[in-house]
Amino acid sequence: DAGVIQSPRHEVTEMGQEVTLRCKPISGHNSLFWYRQTMMRGLELLIYFNNNVPIDDSGMPEDRFSAKMPNASFSTLKIQPSEPRDSAVYFCASSSGTGQPQHFGDGTRLSIL
Amino acid sequence: GNSVTQMEGPVTLSEEAFLTINCTYTATGYPSLFWYVQYPGEGLQLLLKATKADDKGSNKGFEATYRKETTSFHLEKGSVQVSDSAVYFCALGGPSGGSYIPTFGRGTSLIVHP
Repeated sequence: DAGVIQSPRHEVTEMGQEVTLRCKPISGHNSLFWYRQTMMRGLELLIYFNNNVPIDDSGMPEDRFSAKMPNASFSTLKIQPSEPRDSAVYFCASSSGTGQPQHFGDGTRLSIL
Repeated sequence: GNSVTQMEGPVTLSEEAFLTINCTYTATGYPSLFWYVQYPGEGLQLLLKATKADDKGSNKGFEATYRKETTSFHLEKGSVQVSDSAVYFCALGGPSGGSYIPTFGRGTSLIVHP
């Protein structure tokens, strides 16, 4: 079975550019989570959706970040404009139910120069 | 708010040694508790979980017991292998339908030498 699929795996871009990260959750899962991982802050929950509806976005750092889930099989995390401090590994995870992420993607390693 | 505290790493062991990674939590009510493992270049994988006090979660030789009286969920393995080298995350959250926001510890790196 396909797991959580994220793209791209790596992204290098200059500050000020728009960055779009994509996620395809496991089919049938109705909860989706976006996390950011850095050495300084560890694993931070940015936002999570249940049945395509954002339930908690209190972890989204600022207005430059936005996330959408237009349907049950696709989500995007967008950063516009990007800044060097956004450099991190971004993970998407999904689960059946609302409690806890069960399956993580392999992440997108983002570098903002 | 809810929080999870793990012992700082790295934890360095020889193969076949006994492993303990400490984890304590702060939460109101009765969350579920989890351990995840992250191998280099990969996402986290759910390793084991416990949903109520005194439950023991186990998987692949790892185990952890939900201790409400000490608010702890320490990870143990009797004999580690080189392939267990990874970063381990303790987390709290809710079962299906629960209301807890998933909260992770900072992670503990484990290095096992042959």
